[in-house]
Amino acid sequence: DTAVSQTPKYLVTQMGNDKSIKCEQNLGHDTMYWYKQDSKKFLKIMFSYNNKELIINETVPNRFSPKSPDKAHLNLHINSLELGDSAVYFCASSQEVLSTGNEQFFGPGTRLTVL
Amino acid sequence: AQSVTQLGSHVSVSEGALVLLRCNYSSSVPPYLFWYVQYPNQGLQLLLKYTTGATLVKGINGFEAEFKKSETSFHLTKPSAHMSDAAEYFCAVSPHNDMRFGAGTRLTVKP
Repeated sequence: DTAVSQTPKYLVTQMGNDKSIKCEQNLGHDTMYWYKQDSKKFLKIMFSYNNKELIINETVPNRFSPKSPDKAHLNLHINSLELGDSAVYFCASSQEVLSTGNEQFFGPGTRLTVL
Repeated sequence: AQSVTQLGSHVSVSEGALVLLRCNYSSSVPPYLFWYVQYPNQGLQLLLKYTTGATLVKGINGFEAEFKKSETSFHLTKPSAHMSDAAEYFCAVSPHNDMRFGAGTRLTVKP
């Protein structure tokens, strides 16, 4: 069984479009995250939700909006896509917030290409 | 602010040789430390972590790391490299409700 799943795996779209990436975890975890990995493999946290409540919101453009309909899902919606948004986006989850030393479980990633 | 520095963006070893991937952190409080591995076109997978207790931590696939507070280091080692170890390795620190990753080290294993 897949622990953290993301759809789609690949997303190719034109500049200016709006797109969403979905994430689901079946681990019963309370906390979920979105990361962006650039072409140099640098990983940066974007958002974190704990029990559907936003707890981390790094300095990302407000074109990016996370939505957590329930504890098991954290979707990422991106408006007005730009070339610089091209990256691999990873969803992750952890049992509790990271201050307790919990590890994160990562999804397989969504490779977004903006043309 | 907490941060992680991985020395060497690319490490190349021969099969059977020692693997040493370096990680130093800056932290004003004792951190939680992690090593993750990323195989091509996949997500990150936990190799090992240090929270408290024994400073030598053993992980999966024969990897281990030692937390050295005096050196603010958490280097990853494996006695004998295998071809399947070729991947990107990330050191990470979790000071609070956050995870800060290093820039990653790509490990290449030559036959």
